[in-house]
Amino acid sequence: EVQLVQSGAEVKKPGESLKISCKGSGYRFSSYWIGWVRQMPGKGLEWMGSIYPGDSDTRYSPSFQGQVTISADKSINTAFLQWSSLKASDTAMYYCARGSYDFWSDYSFWGQGTLVTVSS
Amino acid sequence: EIVLTQSPGTLSLSPGERATLSCRASQSVGSPFLAWYQQKPVQAPRLLIYGASSRATGIPDRFSGSGSGTNFTLTISRLEPEDFAVYYCQQYGRSPLTFGPGTKLDIK
Repeated sequence: EVQLVQSGAEVKKPGESLKISCKGSGYRFSSYWIGWVRQMPGKGLEWMGSIYPGDSDTRYSPSFQGQVTISADKSINTAFLQWSSLKASDTAMYYCARGSYDFWSDYSFWGQGTLVTVSS
Repeated sequence: EIVLTQSPGTLSLSPGERATLSCRASQSVGSPFLAWYQQKPVQAPRLLIYGASSRATGIPDRFSGSGSGTNFTLTISRLEPEDFAVYYCQQYGRSPLTFGPGTKLDIK
């Protein structure tokens, strides 16, 4: 059974750094793209970027390029999303989702989401 | 960037009725690389339809997708109580991947 299990909720202050995780199981982790999707409170879904764990090929939405860093460690079947300096506007639910071996794919499996709250 | 517009914003219907949701793209979506997702409160999105018209694994056949180019439709033939949720379309044919703003389907 394919599963994506995300790290727990975080409460941070503006300016702090953060790295959240997404651990895949039940499939060959290195062979499928993992995407990250933001959902701000009461709002829709926004694609942030994706990574292919096999060779760490990473692609970002222009809206998020330079704002976050996506990485993966295939040895532990885990993808990461990190911020170096959080802002209040980063408060959102963040989902990881599995694509296919091809970047141009839908997301058939989703993590449960990680709620990030940034407040002074 | 391909901008997706969904209509209506909210659709109020009763169980047993037919729902028709629209998704329009600002440019042609190749192949077609168009998906539909369902999201219920405090849940992650769930893939319903990919490739504009193929049902994902385990999705009931009351859900169907159609369309090509810039116009796409999700149809729910007979609404069940569990179908009341928010529905998003997504294009994955051009980067950046984009989602529509969603259609909220609520009980009349």
